[in-house]
Amino acid sequence: EIVLTQSPATLSLSPGEGATLSCRASQSVSSYLAWYQQKPGQAPRLLIYDASNRATGIPARFSGSGSGTDFTLTISSLEPEDFAIYYCQHRSSWPLTFGGGTKVAIK
Amino acid sequence: EVQLLESGGGLVEPGGSLRLSCAASGFTFSTYPMRWVRQAPGKGLEWVSAISGGGSSTYYAESVKGRFTISRDNSKNTLYLQMTSLRADDTAVYYCAKVYYDAGTYYNYFDYWGQGTLVTVSS
Repeated sequence: EIVLTQSPATLSLSPGEGATLSCRASQSVSSYLAWYQQKPGQAPRLLIYDASNRATGIPARFSGSGSGTDFTLTISSLEPEDFAIYYCQHRSSWPLTFGGGTKVAIK
Repeated sequence: EVQLLESGGGLVEPGGSLRLSCAASGFTFSTYPMRWVRQAPGKGLEWVSAISGGGSSTYYAESVKGRFTISRDNSKNTLYLQMTSLRADDTAVYYCAKVYYDAGTYYNYFDYWGQGTLVTVSS
């Protein structure tokens, strides 16, 4: 099973600041990694797929990069609605696994 | 508009059984692989099970293998998860999710999710 480790656990930032979230895989997942956003009481929302492709309707301030074992989600300038928990997920092999999440909190 | 509506959750005693349903609409259900993902209270996401569009291929997380069975009825646009031998650590919100499709390719990610149904295993 591929283990995804996200860091930091919590990121405290102000609106307008940039955010950089990390996801590290225990073995290579090529570029087969996605990022999701989840707000309290809601289902997750797909943001980025295959490391760097924005899903339909996702604003350009969200971008993803990386390959192999190290991946980054960047939010260029935080909007109030971006404060949430972010998860990474790979599709490289079964079982699919998610990272433990990074909470982006208002400072 | 894509809609996924789960039902069937509730309180069950350890060792008991429950069947979850997910009614789908707004897309050609039979052509899409579907997934179940769960989230324990205050915890992260855990993939549970997967099924192909036609239903012939299924996959399970080790934590549920042998206890849970995924199935689908494409004539009813409905996905199911039969859960048996339930344990306290199965307590979670269970989501059904649709696999992401773009430009002729299915990606094993999830672009539409239901609202979730809570399963509580407790005596």
